Amino acid sequence: DSGVTQTPKHLITATGQRVTLRCSPRSGDLSVYWYQQSLDQGLQFLIQYYNGEERAKGNILERFSAQQFPDLHSELNLSSLELGDSALYFCASSASGWGEQFFGPGTRLTVL
Amino acid sequence: AQSVTQLDSQVPVFEEAPVELRCNYSSSVSVYLFWYVQYPNQGLQLLLKYLSGSTLVKGINGFEAEFNKSQTSFHLRKPSVHISDTAEYFCAVSGGNTGKLIFGQGTTLQVKP
Repeated sequence: DSGVTQTPKHLITATGQRVTLRCSPRSGDLSVYWYQQSLDQGLQFLIQYYNGEERAKGNILERFSAQQFPDLHSELNLSSLELGDSALYFCASSASGWGEQFFGPGTRLTVL
Repeated sequence: AQSVTQLDSQVPVFEEAPVELRCNYSSSVSVYLFWYVQYPNQGLQLLLKYLSGSTLVKGINGFEAEFNKSQTSFHLRKPSVHISDTAEYFCAVSGGNTGKLIFGQGTTLQVKP
């Protein structure tokens, strides 16, 4: 158990819908990262937050957004969902803005 | 820009044999290097990391890796594998002023009895 929690574990929805994925980092970790894992793209970095502020942005679509709240949990919002958004979405946390990251169990999103 | 290449997509090996999973990276800045393991239907678990110091890094479950700056490599080794080592292994690099990880495509280690 990494100490990072993600909810829900599974999510099935339809094209065009909007979903929210939630992540709670390890106690004391200030940085949260979001990654997408798919068969064709592999593991891709989406976005990083550090103590509530956006720190880095990767291959994140404009339909996707994220935020980190004062209690340091983070949410990833995916809207206007397409079939190709079906993937595993991982959250990771680290104590600082760099170094080793601890990954949550992931949320498996299926868009039908 | 940074990139990671894992040279083998699949590595079949018999139980108790040694194994090496190869990883090469490209970066214009100093890097930190990681190996993660993913068991079926699970998240990623850190095996080992290189941040600085000794180029030979020891991790969990008997794995080790050697950072070779001149060859821009960070190969993962284990002298004797077990059936339970069957999993997907990812090499990753980070550097610069963010901690974002750039992953390789992964290597599936298949340990046969």
